[in-house]
Amino acid sequence: DAGVTQSPTHLIKTRGQQVTLRCSPKSGHDTVSWYQQALGQGPQFIFQYYEEEERQRGNFPDRFSGHQFPNYSSELNVNALLLGDSALYLCASSPAGGTMNTEAFFGQGTRLTVV
Amino acid sequence: AQKVTQAQTEISVVEKEDVTLDCVYETRDTTYYLFWYKQPPSGELVFLIRRNSFDEQNEISGRYSWNFQKSTSSFNFTITASQVVDSAVYFCALSDGGKFQFGAGTQVVVTP
Repeated sequence: DAGVTQSPTHLIKTRGQQVTLRCSPKSGHDTVSWYQQALGQGPQFIFQYYEEEERQRGNFPDRFSGHQFPNYSSELNVNALLLGDSALYLCASSPAGGTMNTEAFFGQGTRLTVV
Repeated sequence: AQKVTQAQTEISVVEKEDVTLDCVYETRDTTYYLFWYKQPPSGELVFLIRRNSFDEQNEISGRYSWNFQKSTSSFNFTITASQVVDSAVYFCALSDGGKFQFGAGTQVVVTP
């Protein structure tokens, strides 16, 4: 059983460009969350998708947007990239609507570098 | 607002020593869930343990144990007889409706 898979693993973009990151959740999971982890810090919650809708959102600007597909996979889009967007982006999946008593399973992340 | 504090930035031990990681949390919720995750150099966060606010019983699972005290809002985690493979960053997290609030993490370095 495959766990959470993310693509690509590494990405280098130029300031001002747009980027799309992809995530396939663990089999049987219907909720996907995205986190940004800057170097030396803990992951910061970006948003969560359930039933193809954004259910919760953290303190991130509108440049960060997402989508969830009928097969529960998800994309994270970031527009007008800034140098400060350089980070490890982690996708997490949860079963049963992601209620707070369930642990989340994380992918290995996408390392985004903005130059 | 939810907050998780891990005051220890790095702990270095020699193999077979015990390691205790501190975690202090803040929440106004009466029902909440606390987690510990491990992040090896590969980057993937690995789930270790979960505790809900109703159950203060401290448990042991293999080489892992935890001490949950609501009175002091602490959720400490201990690795007994550490091994080199335990070297990683450990995160304490508080779940807020499925949204995780992580601490800054504690780097554990276990040397042979």
